[in-house]
Amino acid sequence: EDQVTQSPEALRLQEGESSSLNCSYTVSGLRGLFWYRQDPGKGPEFLFTLYSAGEEKEKERLKATLTKKESFLHITAPKPEDSATYLCAVPAGGNNRLAFGKGNQVVVIP
Amino acid sequence: NAGVMQNPRHLVRRRGQEARLRCSPMKGHSHVYWYRQLPEEGLKFMVYLQKENIIDESGMPKERFSAEFPKEGPSILRIQQVVRGDSAAYFCASSPGNAEAFFGQGTRLTVV
Repeated sequence: EDQVTQSPEALRLQEGESSSLNCSYTVSGLRGLFWYRQDPGKGPEFLFTLYSAGEEKEKERLKATLTKKESFLHITAPKPEDSATYLCAVPAGGNNRLAFGKGNQVVVIP
Repeated sequence: NAGVMQNPRHLVRRRGQEARLRCSPMKGHSHVYWYRQLPEEGLKFMVYLQKENIIDESGMPKERFSAEFPKEGPSILRIQQVVRGDSAAYFCASSPGNAEAFFGQGTRLTVV
């Protein structure tokens, strides 16, 4: 079953055009929600962990928020270097293995 | 994450050969996870290991695939008698024991 769904699959933004990425999850007893950034040919780079509804984390132009059913990754005034695929994941099963969404592919055009 | 080391970065194997992928976790991490990423698909869990133990191999194909994490040395993901469908990026992640996992740069396996 799908535990993590990300939308939109792909997004093209003009430089400076703020937007939000969505991650919906269906898992009982959330033990954290993780955002990663992945550049082509590279491994996922850890960005944020969110543990409880209402929590927010920020890093440069990125802000992650969490509700009981979804998380948003807000990109404020993006730059071309923010172009990447953003991955959302939640722990699944009894251990800490992660269930990933398919990602949001973001392209920021100068 | 530069702390998790995977090698080789690229591996080409002919059908029927064996592939060995290595992963050295971050210093202080004793939990290792292997994931596979196919084009247009998300990262899929394969196996979870701690030193000398396989904790969860529910994502591993039943045949041809095996993994180990010995007391000394890196974790190894071994694929015997590779087929074209095994071509993918294989990522290793390590963790200190909580759910925060840090990934290596991956091994891109191409089966020709």
